Amino acid sequence: KAGVTQTPRYLIKTRGQQVTLSCSPISGHRSVSWYQQTPGQGLQFLFEYFSETQRNKGNFPGRFSGRQFSNSRSEMNVSTLELGDSALYLCASSPGTGRYNEQFFGPGTRLTVL
Amino acid sequence: DAKTTQPNSMESNEEEPVHLPCNHSTISGTDYIHWYRQLPSQGPEYVIHGLTSNVNNRMASLAIAEDRKSSTLILHRATLRDAAVYYCIRSEGAQKLVFGQGTRLTINP
Repeated sequence: KAGVTQTPRYLIKTRGQQVTLSCSPISGHRSVSWYQQTPGQGLQFLFEYFSETQRNKGNFPGRFSGRQFSNSRSEMNVSTLELGDSALYLCASSPGTGRYNEQFFGPGTRLTVL
Repeated sequence: DAKTTQPNSMESNEEEPVHLPCNHSTISGTDYIHWYRQLPSQGPEYVIHGLTSNVNNRMASLAIAEDRKSSTLILHRATLRDAAVYYCIRSEGAQKLVFGQGTRLTINP
């Protein structure tokens, strides 16, 4: 099975712009979670989608949003970019059902805001 | 609030066992204990998880204290490829992981 893929792998934007990142989960996985990783704050949970519905949400401002499509692919959007949004954005997928599901992470999208 | 405490760094030698400790004194009865690791320039990778009993898999063993307030990840025979940041996480579900700062493990040849 192919792993979790994220596009693009690298992105450079300027302050005030918006950005959309994409994540394709492992085939058959219905849950997609997003995380932000920075040197200062470490790995922080953004949100989780399951069957096109947001099921969990982290403590991030409304500028961060996401969605999931019927084929389980997910996108996250950040509007009005700030310098502090520079980070590695990681997507993880799991089957999403059952008592426990390990998460499979993609390689991430590195976003640089200038 | 990561809710777990781990040493910032540890060092071991290749082919020796490694014991990575984690304190989770405020764990609730329904929280799982998960371990993930992150190799350089990669996303995190699942290692093992447990609830109450000790667990073994092909990668590692997880020893959970009887009161569940601490646990230890055991790598039985470390290789250079095991050099990574190891995260101990406790959460009720597997879908929302709250990562702490982790333990940076260095393996000496």
